[in-house]
Amino acid sequence: LAKTTQPISMDSYEGQEVNITCSHNNIATNDYITWYQQFPSQGPRFIIQGYKTKVTNEVASLFIPADRKSSTLSLPRVSLSDTAVYYCLVAYDNYGQNFVFGPGTRLSVLP
Amino acid sequence: DTGVSQNPRHKITKRGQNVTFRCDPISEHNRLYWYRQTLGQGPEFLTYFQNEAQLEKSRLLSDRFSAERPKGSFSTLEIQRTEQGDSAMYLCASSLLFTGSYNEQFFGPGTRLTVL
Repeated sequence: LAKTTQPISMDSYEGQEVNITCSHNNIATNDYITWYQQFPSQGPRFIIQGYKTKVTNEVASLFIPADRKSSTLSLPRVSLSDTAVYYCLVAYDNYGQNFVFGPGTRLSVLP
Repeated sequence: DTGVSQNPRHKITKRGQNVTFRCDPISEHNRLYWYRQTLGQGPEFLTYFQNEAQLEKSRLLSDRFSAERPKGSFSTLEIQRTEQGDSAMYLCASSLLFTGSYNEQFFGPGTRLTVL
């Protein structure tokens, strides 16, 4: 049974690095892993996407091990404005369908 | 603003009534998705279109739900005979196939439905 898990919540202080891991067994072999950020009363916003190994953009890094059973979003030097819910999104079949969001991790950044 | 737009932003209805929501995707995007999100939960996939074709519909989706995307542009999601359990945020997203990141979905602000 396809299941995606994430920690429910995390706390951090400004300036620290935050790592959020999503576990996703048996995802589609040809699909990407995507992470989104969501603020209250807004739609999710794309952060980063990867297939394997490491991907980095201007706001985050994404680490994906060779077995692709998990992925870790890394936010360097978080600020108060990074307080939000973070979701991973994966697909569980090779047609890119049946998109499944994780349960979300509520990140609270403290001053 | 060239992002995904959804209308209405809020809808309050009585149980048993029908409601219809509209989504206008980013103009060049050929894929359009509908999700439902309840408080404290991640978005739940409902259905998606590639151009005008509805390619996938969640097995969890009741027959009371129907979606269309005529001419491959905007989409409508209709819920018939609404129930209180339908109360949720309904999110629309669009993406462009044939890029390296076809799963990069751009979300609209959502339509919040309250069924009394």
